[in-house]
Amino acid sequence: GEDVEQSLFLSVREGDSSVINCTYTDSSSTYLYWYKQEPGAGLQLLTYIFSNMDMKQDQRLTVLLNKKDKHLSLRIADTQTGDSAIYFCALSGGYQKVTFGTGTKLQVIP
Amino acid sequence: NAGVTQTPKFQVLKTGQSMTLQCAQDMNHEYMSWYRQDPGMGLRLIHYSVGAGITDQGEVPNGYNVSRSTTEDFPLRLLSAAPSQTSVYFCASSSGTQETQYFGPGTRLLVL
Repeated sequence: GEDVEQSLFLSVREGDSSVINCTYTDSSSTYLYWYKQEPGAGLQLLTYIFSNMDMKQDQRLTVLLNKKDKHLSLRIADTQTGDSAIYFCALSGGYQKVTFGTGTKLQVIP
Repeated sequence: NAGVTQTPKFQVLKTGQSMTLQCAQDMNHEYMSWYRQDPGMGLRLIHYSVGAGITDQGEVPNGYNVSRSTTEDFPLRLLSAAPSQTSVYFCASSSGTQETQYFGPGTRLLVL
């Protein structure tokens, strides 16, 4: 099955850029997602990218997809304390084939 | 719209007890799923449904039952709880196979 790996923890200073990385093994996914989970809450979709795209920008968020290296990243510009959360990447080849990464906890230091 | 709602928010069970986790959505979504979230393991799919009367197993279905008698509701049943089922459970719904999943706030379950 699909393996999706993320580093567990990232700490950045307020105002800096954050880059959260995700590596995967199966290249057949059609959609690649980034979700945000705040403490005690469910997952909230931040953005997604189609597998035929290399980059997608949405306000402070930039998603980069390197299909050759099977690497997905999420860049958050001008990181704020409200961005502190756990971020999950997820890959989908169909509804029942969504695989979530292990999650990266982002800590923003004021 | 309330979106996806889950009850209870928190539950403590003894080994061997049974219970039902409730999930409801008011967005008329056909697709609904149950996930469990464990530390360091991301979310794993337990069961899912592609419409009323249709359910199927996900990655970790053992110990759980589901049914889908209406579009709105998708309860998850634990027939005989085990400590290994201590986890946070999330329900999600979407309007299609490739559409955004909307998640409920979660149910935190502790099995002693």
